Amino acid sequence: NAGVTQTPKFQVLKTGQSMTLQCAQDMNHEYMSWYRQDPGMGLRLIHYSVGAGITDQGEVPNGYNVSRSTTEDFPLRLLSAAPSQTSVYFCASTPASGSYEQYFGPGTRLTVT
Amino acid sequence: GNSVTQMEGPVTLSEEAFLTINCTYTATGYPSLFWYVQYPGEGLQLLLKATKADDKGSNKGFEATYRKETTSFHLEKGSVQVSDSAVYFCALRIGQAGTALIFGKGTTLSVSS
Repeated sequence: NAGVTQTPKFQVLKTGQSMTLQCAQDMNHEYMSWYRQDPGMGLRLIHYSVGAGITDQGEVPNGYNVSRSTTEDFPLRLLSAAPSQTSVYFCASTPASGSYEQYFGPGTRLTVT
Repeated sequence: GNSVTQMEGPVTLSEEAFLTINCTYTATGYPSLFWYVQYPGEGLQLLLKATKADDKGSNKGFEATYRKETTSFHLEKGSVQVSDSAVYFCALRIGQAGTALIFGKGTTLSVSS
């Protein structure tokens, strides 16, 4: 199993550009989440999904969209990038039963200039 | 609301010293509690967890006990190694289906030989 994969690893955008951060998992986990990590702030939840077709907002959802058309994929879209979205983004997946452990991807480092 | 408070870092120790990283929480109901570790340039990995009061989680020489009366989940290790240098995050689990985590801000540990 590859676990949770994220692409790209690094990205630089100009203010106002749009892009999609990709996240995929091959563990058949029902739950997936997106977090951003900023210095001194820890990780904050952006959006999460409890299954295909179902998404909900987390703590800091503004400026981001998500969709979940398949169990495997959970892309995060930035519609109009802003410098405040410069951060490291982590995707995570969790099984619906058992330990509920969250498995994290390696992260995407995004810089908006 | 739900929140996690960790001691401010960085924590700097010599090899074989005793480690304590304090974590307290505020939550409705009875959350599950976690410690995650992030090594430089990597994503987060689950270090240990506890799902109910008085449970003790342990892994790789680290321990933490779920104390409901003091709403705490302090991380301890009797003898740290240089390889333990990392950022440590305390977290609690919320969410309708137990998927979303709320993280503390993280504590950086640096161990020198």
